[in-house]
Amino acid sequence: EVQLVESGGGLVQPGRSLRLSCAASGFTFDDYAMHWVRQVPGKGLEWVSGISWNSVSIAYGDSVKGRFTISRDNTKKSLYLQMNSLRPEDTALYFCAKSVGEVRLYYYMDVWGRGTTVTVSS
Amino acid sequence: DIQMTQSPSSLSASVGDRVTITCQASQDINKYLSWYQRNPGRAPKLLIHDASTLETGVPGRFSGSGSGTDFTFTISGLQPEDIATYYCQQYDSLPLTFGGGTKVEIK
Repeated sequence: EVQLVESGGGLVQPGRSLRLSCAASGFTFDDYAMHWVRQVPGKGLEWVSGISWNSVSIAYGDSVKGRFTISRDNTKKSLYLQMNSLRPEDTALYFCAKSVGEVRLYYYMDVWGRGTTVTVSS
Repeated sequence: DIQMTQSPSSLSASVGDRVTITCQASQDINKYLSWYQRNPGRAPKLLIHDASTLETGVPGRFSGSGSGTDFTFTISGLQPEDIATYYCQQYDSLPLTFGGGTKVEIK
C-alpha cells in the first residue's frame, strides 16, 4: 500500500524551531519529487515547498522562504521540513505529498499523508 | 503568482443533484489543473488531473472540464459520501496555488 506518514508536529513558541518528517512506503521513493502543503485551521490549502528526486531542484512559497528548509534522504525513504523562526501564522496542519514527476516541481500530487499539526503559540 | 478563484465557497444540495464548482485562473494555465477532495481527518485525495482526466478508481459521477483560465468540476448525482471540501490546484508554474475550496453539504 502506498503510504505517507508525517510526524514531528507539536506546540512550539514563536521564534523557535521544529523539524517535520515524512516516512514513505509502498513506492520507489527516489523516483519522485515530494512536497509539503499546509492548511491553516479553517482556511484552504497552501503549498509550502517542493524538492526533486535528487534534491537538485528545490522551491519554497514566499511565506516560508528563508525560514524553512526542505530535504530528503532517499536511503531512508524520508522527507523533512526544518522550520526555523516560527510565527503564529505558521500554525497549520502540514501534509507531505508525492508528486507524479521526478524533477519538475510544478506538477500535481497523487498521494498525500494525513498530516501533522504544528501550533506556534506562547 | 497565479491566483485561483474558486466558487462557490460552499453549497448545499440534495442526494442525486448535479453539483458544479468553478475555478478561474488569473492567467492561462493550459490544462494544468487538478481537483482534490478533502475530508477532515483524512488525507486529501486526488480526483482529476489535466483538467479532465479521472484518476483510477474514482467514481464516474465526478468529472472535470475546461482549459486556459476557466474550469469546471461536476458531481453528476451527489451521494452522501461526497460530503467534503473540494479544491482546485494549478501546476502550470511555481508557486503551486490552490483555489479557496468549496464545502459541499447535503440539504
